[in-house]
Amino acid sequence: EPEVTQTPSHQVTQMGQEVILRCVPISNHLYFYWYRQILGQKVEFLVSFYNNEISEKSEIFDDQFSVERPDGSNFTLKIRSTKLEDSAMYFCASSEVGGRFGQANVLTFGAGSRLTVL
Amino acid sequence: AQKVTQAQTEISVVEKEDVTLDCVYETRDTTYYLFWYKQPPSGELVFLIRRNSFDEQNEISGRYSWNFQKSTSSFNFTITASQVVDSAVYFCALPMNSGGYQKVTFGTGTKLQVIP
Repeated sequence: EPEVTQTPSHQVTQMGQEVILRCVPISNHLYFYWYRQILGQKVEFLVSFYNNEISEKSEIFDDQFSVERPDGSNFTLKIRSTKLEDSAMYFCASSEVGGRFGQANVLTFGAGSRLTVL
Repeated sequence: AQKVTQAQTEISVVEKEDVTLDCVYETRDTTYYLFWYKQPPSGELVFLIRRNSFDEQNEISGRYSWNFQKSTSSFNFTITASQVVDSAVYFCALPMNSGGYQKVTFGTGTKLQVIP
């Protein structure tokens, strides 16, 4: 069964360092997403990406965050200067059409990348 | 604004008991979808069910059933004859209609522990 893969599974970094989290979405999916889950809290939307540009983002997704799809397969989330409060599990997800035809699509999630900022 | 409330933080049941997970939602959208996702100990979020707001027919799928009631803004999920493998965190989710349902609001999750 097709799956979304994420690397690394766990990254420990010092505050102020740049971090890149990588994801390989399902190959025929067109919409890509990043969500995060601070330990013990709910899953929060960060950003959605379609046709090589951001289509929706939340208030969490500030200038410290960026996303790109550099090579047509990987989808990355970069945090420029990490803060302690960025410590969380980051989930990548993809979906087939992202609601273009009036229906909310099922998201397929990866297993997550746990980021620990010290 | 959208909101999903899962009032049950943790539930423990003994194997083979039935268990119902509650979800109450708030939305201004007249057309909307609701989802349940499961997060097993391995960490990934796994899709369980999607329902739309204009189909209130309740459904049974194996040991799972769903009770969607627009009048009370509830979308409850029942596991019949629970098994240890059902132990997980269960999230109710509501995508926002504007922007093509891309932004999903999740509840805080209900941790289900099934005791052998």
